[in-house]
Amino acid sequence: AQRVTQPEKLLSVFKGAPVELKCNYSYSGSPELFWYVQYSRQRLQLLLRHISRESIKGFTADLNKGETSFHLKKPFAQEEDSAMYYCALRNAGNMLTFGGGTRLMVKP
Amino acid sequence: NAGVTQTPKFRILKIGQSMTLQCTQDMNHNYMYWYRQDPGMGLKLIYYSVGAGITDKGEVPNGYNVSRSTTEDFPLRLELAAPSQTSVYFCASSPVRSGPSYEQYFGPGTRLTVT
Repeated sequence: AQRVTQPEKLLSVFKGAPVELKCNYSYSGSPELFWYVQYSRQRLQLLLRHISRESIKGFTADLNKGETSFHLKKPFAQEEDSAMYYCALRNAGNMLTFGGGTRLMVKP
Repeated sequence: NAGVTQTPKFRILKIGQSMTLQCTQDMNHNYMYWYRQDPGMGLKLIYYSVGAGITDKGEVPNGYNVSRSTTEDFPLRLELAAPSQTSVYFCASSPVRSGPSYEQYFGPGTRLTVT
């Protein structure tokens, strides 16, 4: 069975500090991983996907198959980054499995 | 484009009542999904559909039913509401099955309380 684990429910940092939101997964096949974000009073939306190897809003995430991790990083956090972040894994059946989410609070 | 819309936004049900959560998308997406999110937990897939007339169970289908008579609409039916169904329900859609542009688009959610 596949599983996505986000060990931190809350991460609080000061503006300008580096951020790393952790995501670990278990999956027997070739994983396809995503980060979704939900800002206050907005709907859940895609932030980035590992397959694109892109940087969005200064965030990057690298898939580490050896450590089965897909951590989300940003070198300098901004107050507008405060949100709920969800890591998700897509399996061969086109299902998304979500982690429990991490609330990021960026303090001024 | 309104994207994915859901109604109602909030609802309180008594145990044993029934209701239908509505979901509509105007993006002509073939794939649609229903998730539930319990407090402090991730989203869990209830049902999904790969096109009009085709539905299948997800991870937590018990107590729910769906139908997909059109591409646009994907209603979720609760027949005998139970307190365990208190949750936030999200509908989502996607245009493609896989590939570099794969993405699910979410509705705003319906907050349901069963007492």
